[in-house]
Amino acid sequence: AQSVTQLDSQVPVFEEAPVELRCNYSSSVSVYLFWYVQYPNQGLQLLLKYLSGSTLVESINGFEAEFNKSQTSFHLRKPSVHISDTAEYFCAVSDQSGGSYIPTFGRGTSLIVHP
Amino acid sequence: DVKVTQSSRYLVKRTGEKVFLECVQDMDHENMFWYRQDPGLGLRLIYFSYDVKMKEKGDIPEGYSVSREKKERFSLILESASTNQTSMYLCASSLTARNNEQFFGPGTRLTVL
Repeated sequence: AQSVTQLDSQVPVFEEAPVELRCNYSSSVSVYLFWYVQYPNQGLQLLLKYLSGSTLVESINGFEAEFNKSQTSFHLRKPSVHISDTAEYFCAVSDQSGGSYIPTFGRGTSLIVHP
Repeated sequence: DVKVTQSSRYLVKRTGEKVFLECVQDMDHENMFWYRQDPGLGLRLIYFSYDVKMKEKGDIPEGYSVSREKKERFSLILESASTNQTSMYLCASSLTARNNEQFFGPGTRLTVL
């Protein structure tokens, strides 16, 4: 069974500093990779995804993530964070285990941006 | 825009009550999911459905059942609510199984007293 590890449960940073949220997964087969963001009192929304092609994917609000097959990682980065980026971030991975593509979610990383 | 709506944002029930959580999506998605979200545990899949009247157990189905009589509606049922079912419940939908980017509702925070 697939497992997803988000190594940090909480990441505090100051505004305008760079940030990296780490995500590792266990599957060695072909995978689809996702990052979701959850703002306070809201549901999750897709931030970015990797399905195939370029290993570097970007979101419209300045986040990027790189698929590293050899390290089975999909870390999320942003060169300069804003207060409004304060949220919970979830990494999700789906593969063809058991013939389905049901995603497995990590436990989440709380990004806290301080002024 | 895909819209996933959940019938209640907050719900308070008593132990032993039967609880219905409703979820509706408006984009003709094939797949629908129910998760519970607890601090430090992330999202855990309760049940999912690939089609009308079809359901599959997720990782934590005990104490829950589901119903999908119409494509756009997926209901989660707690037959006899217990305090350990106090949680945030999230519904999601996706267009297909393969490219399964999920769209989430706002969540229902259920408290069982």
